[in-house]
Amino acid sequence: GNSVTQMEGPVTLSEEAFLTINCTYTATGYPSLFWYVQYPGEGLQLLLKATKADDKGSNKGFEATYRKETTSFHLEKGSVQVSDSAVYFCALSDSNDYKLSFGAGTTVTVRA
Amino acid sequence: KAGVTQTPRYLIKTRGQQVTLSCSPISGHRSVSWYQQTPGQGLQFLFEYFSETQRNKGNFPGRFSGRQFSNSRSEMNVSTLELGDSALYLCASSLALGNRGDTQYFGPGTRLTVL
Repeated sequence: GNSVTQMEGPVTLSEEAFLTINCTYTATGYPSLFWYVQYPGEGLQLLLKATKADDKGSNKGFEATYRKETTSFHLEKGSVQVSDSAVYFCALSDSNDYKLSFGAGTTVTVRA
Repeated sequence: KAGVTQTPRYLIKTRGQQVTLSCSPISGHRSVSWYQQTPGQGLQFLFEYFSETQRNKGNFPGRFSGRQFSNSRSEMNVSTLELGDSALYLCASSLALGNRGDTQYFGPGTRLTVL
């Protein structure tokens, strides 16, 4: 079956530091990959996505590249802000159905 | 365009009761999916509805059910509530045009507490 593994948190950073959250996946088909973000008390917001190998998704300074050879989709941001404090979820959807399989989530706290 | 809306936002029930949660998708979206989020199990897929038909179902007991109406609005029902059903229930909608990377947009969730 499909599964997503993300690095465990929590992650605590200072403002302007570099952020990386590792994500690897297992899928039977040819999945699309997503990063969602959840702020306290809210639902999930799509951060970025990639639908085929070597695609790079980007949004709000965050980037992730779909690496089929390493089955990875690591999230990066060069300079984090306090407002980036949230829980980040890596997810995939298989080409055969639309359900999302999520990683466990990584809590990121950015200190001023 | 209005986002996905869910009602109610908070709910407190006691064991053995039943509950109905409602979800209104983004206008024009035909697919509605439901997810359960708990600290222990994380985000788990419950079911997906498309054109009033359940198209996909997760690994949950039959106490969890849902339906979709002709206007794409969806409800999920949980009968005979258990303490372990306490969770944030998230609804997501998508266009479901069959394209790769069809994006699901989430609502704010309904926080259910079972006492």
